[in-house]
Amino acid sequence: AQSVTQLGSHVSVSEGALVLLRCNYSSSVPPYLFWYVQYPNQGLQLLLKYTSAATLVKGINGFEAEFKKSETSFHLTKPSAHMSDAAEYFCAVSGGFGNEKLTFGTGTRLTIIP
Amino acid sequence: GAVVSQHPSRVICKSGTSVKIECRSLDFQATTMFWYRQFPKQSLMLMATSNEGSKATYEQGVEKDKFLINHASLTLSTLTVTSAHPEDSSFYICSARDGRKTEAFFGQGTRLTVV
Repeated sequence: AQSVTQLGSHVSVSEGALVLLRCNYSSSVPPYLFWYVQYPNQGLQLLLKYTSAATLVKGINGFEAEFKKSETSFHLTKPSAHMSDAAEYFCAVSGGFGNEKLTFGTGTRLTIIP
Repeated sequence: GAVVSQHPSRVICKSGTSVKIECRSLDFQATTMFWYRQFPKQSLMLMATSNEGSKATYEQGVEKDKFLINHASLTLSTLTVTSAHPEDSSFYICSARDGRKTEAFFGQGTRLTVV
């Protein structure tokens, strides 16, 4: 069984400030972890993924995330927020290759303050 | 690469009618497709998983007779909402897995409004 907890349903940061979106997971098998971004009335776009290789994963649009097994965390960061980063972000976990059923967190709405 | 096209993007239908939503993988063969439902300001809930040529596997609590899923080819899956009611109004999103990759790719979603 897998689950994901995203702490903070809303996060606001100033333009140019650090973005930190938190995700903790629970999995009975070595997990694959994902961060997706969703803009209003659109599907999900993959930002980055962890699939048991490097623990620090770099994604698109300057985002990165670090897999920390000891903390069961996969927090998403970006050094400098841009107005275009305002969106809904979802963390998701799957049971690895061959088990691609995704379990999503409840999402975090990121607002960028000019 | 890895484009998933979902159609229509928006649909309004009358209560009691049926609506079909298509999900196509445009540049890869999708061995598995997933259908999700998303309520306003909430996360995605998996409804069912479909593998090409076989019956879909529905999640607990999802009515298989109401949400008909067909995955007749490696590039097309359809979700039909039968006898739609206002409570079926929601955002439906499909995703398709390229068997050679570790992630699934999402369609743009369909906003269904039942009046």
